Amino acid sequence: DQQVKQNSPSLSVQEGRISILNCDYTNSMFDYFLWYKKYPAEGPTFLISISSIKDKNEDGRFTVFLNKSAKHLSLHIVPSQPGDSAVYFCAASEYFAGSQGNLIFGKGTKLSVKP
Amino acid sequence: DAGVTQSPTHLIKTRGQHVTLRCSPISGHKSVSWYQQVLGQGPQFIFQYYEKEERGRGNFPDRFSARQFPNYSSELNVNALLLGDSALYLCASSPRAGGKPEAFFGQGTRLTVV
Repeated sequence: DQQVKQNSPSLSVQEGRISILNCDYTNSMFDYFLWYKKYPAEGPTFLISISSIKDKNEDGRFTVFLNKSAKHLSLHIVPSQPGDSAVYFCAASEYFAGSQGNLIFGKGTKLSVKP
Repeated sequence: DAGVTQSPTHLIKTRGQHVTLRCSPISGHKSVSWYQQVLGQGPQFIFQYYEKEERGRGNFPDRFSARQFPNYSSELNVNALLLGDSALYLCASSPRAGGKPEAFFGQGTRLTVV
């Protein structure tokens, strides 16, 4: 059973608008969440993270929101740019619970930003 | 500064053969993890090594093994290859085990088993 779920396989957004990528999780022991971006033929690139003691973390155009009661997080990209077109993976970890570095990934959402 | 480097980038093997994949972490990083990514899925954790010791293992059969060397580079070995082992194998490094979970990935090795 998938512990990290990205229910939208794809998302298309107009350049300059907001992109919102969603992620749900089932394991209440997860306490650290990350977003990665992946271009074809490259490895995933770390974007932004958030620990369970926060509900928002912002880095430039990227903001991650965490709703622990709903076991839901989202990544907002504002404004979206064509170079943001990639597959975005949500990942979770039991960091504070003593994880040995095991990241659990969702299946990814392919974002297309159209000029 | 060099990022995580993996070799080879592509590999074709026959069922039943053995394969060795290699990874050099970012300079100063002592922890290396291996992930398998099959088409349409997210990366799945295989192993983590820190200071040459296994610190974590995912749900993979014993055909999969790994080791870490004194210079912190690592090898992933897969014996008795099956068609289902065809995947992108990713290596990730982080400064230390038990630190923040942010891991930095290499470009991966694309393994095709025929």
